[in-house]
Amino acid sequence: DTGVSQNPRHKITKRGQNVTFRCDPISEHNRLYWYRQTLGQGPEFLTYFQNEAQLEKSRLLSDRFSAERPKGSFSTLEIQRTEQGDSAMYLCASSPDRGRTPLHFGNGTRLTVT
Amino acid sequence: AQSVTQPDIHITVSEGASLELRCNYSYGATPYLFWYVQSPGQGLQLLLKYFSGDTLVQGIKGFEAEFKRSQSSFNLRKPSVHWSDAAEYFCAVGNNDMRFGAGTRLTVKP
Repeated sequence: DTGVSQNPRHKITKRGQNVTFRCDPISEHNRLYWYRQTLGQGPEFLTYFQNEAQLEKSRLLSDRFSAERPKGSFSTLEIQRTEQGDSAMYLCASSPDRGRTPLHFGNGTRLTVT
Repeated sequence: AQSVTQPDIHITVSEGASLELRCNYSYGATPYLFWYVQSPGQGLQLLLKYFSGDTLVQGIKGFEAEFKRSQSSFNLRKPSVHWSDAAEYFCAVGNNDMRFGAGTRLTVKP
């Protein structure tokens, strides 16, 4: 169990640029989640995959955000035309596809939009 | 809709003192409840979880939590706090779309 891996750890970008983050879940975990966390707040649910299928998307996930998990393994989260309000920590989590199991979180990608 | 409230934004305790962090939830069915801890710049680490059964659950690092359905609460406790426990603590409810509280920041005084 190597844990959930997220890259990059930090990303600084200028407003209007596109950014992409990657998440590698624990290898046997079928479920993968993206959360966003701003300073002083708890993580907010963005979206959830079971294998390659994106099963749920939060209303927080605007049209500028897109997430993929093409082969049911790693996932990418892309933000187009970034805005300063997108600055946050983006957390990925995974869990096995069997009943009641907690989420295992990665260390996150911190995005700063200048 | 499910939601979580952590009434205390920041708590300071002395090392060796007991600790209780409050969590209240709103959930339509039998809740799955969790406590996570987050150190600065890090992801979230699971402390303990409640799915069913015994309402007093034990976790890692000497933490425990008690599920009280009548009060819709799932408070986290530790009998004696260590300096290394200083961190942000999050209560969460749900399963596929887990919802988190805003967190309680714990400061430990020497």
